[in-house]
Amino acid sequence: QKEVEQDPGPLSVPEGAIVSLNCTYSNSAFQYFMWYRQYSRKGPELLMYTYSSGNKEDGRFTAQVDKSSKYISLFIRDSQPSDSATYLCAIGYTDKLIFGTGTRLQVFP
Amino acid sequence: EPEVTQTPSHQVTQMGQEVILRCVPISNHLYFYWYRQILGQKVEFLVSFYNNEISEKSEIFDDQFSVERPDGSNFTLKIRSTKLEDSAMYFCASSTRGEQPQHFGDGTRLSIL
Repeated sequence: QKEVEQDPGPLSVPEGAIVSLNCTYSNSAFQYFMWYRQYSRKGPELLMYTYSSGNKEDGRFTAQVDKSSKYISLFIRDSQPSDSATYLCAIGYTDKLIFGTGTRLQVFP
Repeated sequence: EPEVTQTPSHQVTQMGQEVILRCVPISNHLYFYWYRQILGQKVEFLVSFYNNEISEKSEIFDDQFSVERPDGSNFTLKIRSTKLEDSAMYFCASSTRGEQPQHFGDGTRLSIL
């Protein structure tokens, strides 16, 4: 079983749609949860982070963690063409991050 | 906004040669990391570094790899004798403390010929 699993997509949605991106993980000892956005030929850019189960909102983005189900989600409201990128979930354990494979998102006008 | 900077953006090296990748972490950060991403694959942890020593390393980080903070601003990754399979994007990251959000640079693309 992989430590972190993420649907690779690609996901193609119209502008204004609500996008749901998801990851599952296997180890209940994992401690903290992050979402990164990665544009082509760029490094991962931190979007959201959280340490506990529940929801955390920042503008159009909501991160959701369910530790009992080992499931994390990122919701993007009112998606824009500029949101087109690869979205990476990353789960923290001690000092390291364990990344999912990334979901490629395309938002078309 | 403060950012992590990496140089060079692209490094081409002959197999068997030594290569040094350089990073300038965010100035008030105390924890430093290296990750790599082979083309089409996920980002993988290599090593974390705090207080001038390695705090954690992965199985990938074998004797061919080393890290150093030679002065107050730079953080380097050295690969002693490069192999074809070392070709990848190498990302440096930093954080204020352990288990805090890590901020990444834009990476160095390493191509081994």
